[in-house]
Amino acid sequence: EVQLLESGGGLVQPGGSLRLSCAASGFTFSSYAMSWVRQAPGKGLEWVSVISGSGGSTYYADSVKGRLTISRDNSNNTLFLQMNSLRAEDTAVYFCAKGGGTSYYSACDYWGQGALVTVSS
Amino acid sequence: DIVMTQSPDSLAVSLGERATINCKSSQSVLYSSNNKNYLGWYQQKPGQPPKLLIYWASTRESGVPDRFSGSGSGTDFTLTISSLQAEDVAIYYCQQYYSIPFTFGPGTKVDIK
Repeated sequence: EVQLLESGGGLVQPGGSLRLSCAASGFTFSSYAMSWVRQAPGKGLEWVSVISGSGGSTYYADSVKGRLTISRDNSNNTLFLQMNSLRAEDTAVYFCAKGGGTSYYSACDYWGQGALVTVSS
Repeated sequence: DIVMTQSPDSLAVSLGERATINCKSSQSVLYSSNNKNYLGWYQQKPGQPPKLLIYWASTRESGVPDRFSGSGSGTDFTLTISSLQAEDVAIYYCQQYYSIPFTFGPGTKVDIK
């Protein structure tokens, strides 16, 4: 059974940093692209970033480029999102999601329960 | 960036009746070399993560009831719930994964009339 479990969310001041983790199990982690998608309170879904199975390719939404960094540890089946220079508009539930195929050009077929990040003073 | 729009914003349908949600992309998401539309549909219930219903615009994800179907090509797509059930109350999102950033539509809220 595929499982994705996010951790690391919390309250952080504007300009601060936070690191989210997503522990994956139930599939061959290194074979699949992984994504982060966020959802501000009461709002829709916003795609944030994707990383290839090997970790060699990463892509970002313009709204987070240069501040958020996606990475992965395939030896420990874990996905990360390093969040720096956080802003109030980064407040959201952050979901990690598994790509449906080996290419990152695929729909996300499994999602974690999400981690809430609140940026406020 | 490809802009995704959905209509209507919300709809209320009687139990057992058909619900139709439209999704439009600002440019084609049909990849000519494999004739696939890079379009997915997700269902999100309150307090839950999104759930993939449909990928490649019309392929139902494993375990998804066959009352859910997807159609369309190029820039215009439709999600149809053929006979609405109480458990289908949710927000439905389309997403293109043709080009980065992989944008979502704003969502359509489905309720029971």
